[in-house]
Amino acid sequence: KAGVTQTPRYLIKTRGQQVTLSCSPISGHRSVSWYQQTPGQGLQFLFEYFSETQRNKGNFPGRFSGRQFSNSRSEMNVSTLELGDSALYLCASSENRAEAFFGQGTRLTVV
Amino acid sequence: AQSVTQPDIHITVSEGASLELRCNYSYGATPYLFWYVQSPGQGLQLLLKYFSGDTLVQGIKGFEAEFKRSQSSFNLRKPSVHWSDAAEYFCAVAASGNTPLVFGKGTRLSVIA
Repeated sequence: KAGVTQTPRYLIKTRGQQVTLSCSPISGHRSVSWYQQTPGQGLQFLFEYFSETQRNKGNFPGRFSGRQFSNSRSEMNVSTLELGDSALYLCASSENRAEAFFGQGTRLTVV
Repeated sequence: AQSVTQPDIHITVSEGASLELRCNYSYGATPYLFWYVQSPGQGLQLLLKYFSGDTLVQGIKGFEAEFKRSQSSFNLRKPSVHWSDAAEYFCAVAASGNTPLVFGKGTRLSVIA
């Protein structure tokens, strides 16, 4: 099976802009979770989608949103970008929630 | 809420030496426990996991971890480190199969000849 695919791998955006990141899970996996990784805060959970419904949400402002499509692909959107949003955004898919498989991430730089 | 502590930010070991990375968690019951490894610029790869049963679990790449309830610990071990093991290691906990992972801050492993 192909692994978790995240696109794009790298992004540079300007403050105030918005950005959309994409995640294609492993075939058959219905759960997709998003994490933000920064040097200061480490790995923090953003949200999880299962069968097109948000099942869990972390403690992030409303500028961070996501959605999941019927084919389980997921997107996350960050509006009104701030410098502090610069991070590696990781997507993970799972079949039974007991084991998460991570993509290589999208490196977002906000300038 | 669960929390995870990895006391060592950076560890350096010689190639061929043994390795132990520490992980302590805070949670009232027995959580789901995981160790992940991350190479520079890459995503996370699952090394091993513990849900229940035998407290010594074997993982990939020759790693093992032992769950000690009395110490709230889940330390990762490897008897002989290879240069390719240099990476960042993350311990993670979940209250159950239905809750998100909570990660420790990670331990960076350097391997010297």
